[in-house]
Amino acid sequence: DTGVSQDPRHKITKRGQNVTFRCDPISEHNRLYWYRQTLGQGPEFLTYFQNEAQLEKSRLLSDRFSAERPKGSFSTLEIQRTEQGDSAMYLCASSLVGTASNQPQHFGDGTRLSIL
Amino acid sequence: KQEVTQIPAALSVPEGENLVLNCSFTDSAIYNLQWFRQDPGKGLTSLLLIQSSQREQTSGRLNASLDKSSGRSTLYIAASQPGDSATYLCAVLSGYALNFGKGTSLLVTP
Repeated sequence: DTGVSQDPRHKITKRGQNVTFRCDPISEHNRLYWYRQTLGQGPEFLTYFQNEAQLEKSRLLSDRFSAERPKGSFSTLEIQRTEQGDSAMYLCASSLVGTASNQPQHFGDGTRLSIL
Repeated sequence: KQEVTQIPAALSVPEGENLVLNCSFTDSAIYNLQWFRQDPGKGLTSLLLIQSSQREQTSGRLNASLDKSSGRSTLYIAASQPGDSATYLCAVLSGYALNFGKGTSLLVTP
């Protein structure tokens, strides 16, 4: 069990550029989540996958954001035409399908995005 | 909409003290409550998960309680150590997503 892996750890880009982040969940975890965390705040939910199906999206996920999970393994989160307000830590988590009450979500170390 | 509040926002204690962190939530219809630890610039480490049917969970020096009807949870840390310094986040699961509080920033001084 190598934990949830996210790449890159840090991304600095100019406003208006597109960026893509990758998340590799814990193997055999078929649920995958993306959250966003700004300084001094708790993480906020963005989207959720069960296997390859995207089952829920937050209203925070504007049209500039898209997430995929081809083949139900790793996931990517793309932000198009980045804005200053997109600067944040993007966290990925995974969990097992099971009784919702007893399955913890395990988080990666996140990708910190800085928009110049 | 589920709102999660954590008190205090920051706490500084000398090494060896026992301490309590508080978490409250507005909607009691939850599946579980998780406590996490976050070190600066890092992701979240899960500390304890309490299912909605449970009252408390313990792991080492940590004990978390849950009173679902009143919408409250506490995290008790016994005999605090400088290595416990971090931000502690409370989160409740109501649907698919965890709803987080803003965290309590803990500093344990030698």
